[in-house]
Amino acid sequence: AQSVTQLDSQVPVFEEAPVELRCNYSSSVSVYLFWYVQYPNQGLQLLLKYLSGSTLVKGINGFEAEFNKSQTSFHLRKPSVHISDTAEYFCAVSAPGGSYIPTFGRGTSLIVHP
Amino acid sequence: DAGVIQSPRHEVTEMGQEVTLRCKPISGHDYLFWYRQTMMRGLELLIYFNNNVPIDDSGMPEDRFSAKMPNASFSTLKIQPSEPRDSAVYFCASSSRDRGLAGADEQYFGPGTRLTVT
Repeated sequence: AQSVTQLDSQVPVFEEAPVELRCNYSSSVSVYLFWYVQYPNQGLQLLLKYLSGSTLVKGINGFEAEFNKSQTSFHLRKPSVHISDTAEYFCAVSAPGGSYIPTFGRGTSLIVHP
Repeated sequence: DAGVIQSPRHEVTEMGQEVTLRCKPISGHDYLFWYRQTMMRGLELLIYFNNNVPIDDSGMPEDRFSAKMPNASFSTLKIQPSEPRDSAVYFCASSSRDRGLAGADEQYFGPGTRLTVT
């Protein structure tokens, strides 16, 4: 079985500042990793995913994440945030060789202040 | 494709009443998931289907909850009788393992149904 830990429940940041949202996972098999974003009163939508290949993954809206197998991490970063990035961010892991079904973290609320 | 469609978007009902939530997945997707989201418990997987067959319903909180998928384009989640603690946002999501499709392995979520039980 796999698990996901999002270390910060809330991350406040000022507009145009850089941000990092942390995600650590545990799994005994190889993994797929995902970041989803949920804007207020909406469903989750995919930001980016790592399936294989390059460990640096670029997603929509200027976000990127780096898969670090030795540290079992998949942190999400953006060099300069906008007010419109205020949302809930979820990290998820699935095991293609095991349970295909993703396990979601508890989410991190990104709050961007003007 | 219009994406995952859920109805109704909002439902307010009284305790004891039956509630039925509906979902139309993306055409061609062979997995369908029902989730519940609350502030206290976060995002919980209730049940998922593969090719219309329920695979794991261990997340269904109790016998008051039931889910069906009579065909590849429709699923329902029913709560009977409803209780105030069932108040939450319920999401339906679909996905595909077909690597020939763009977006394989990621989940596509519907807009959710906000359920309030008074």
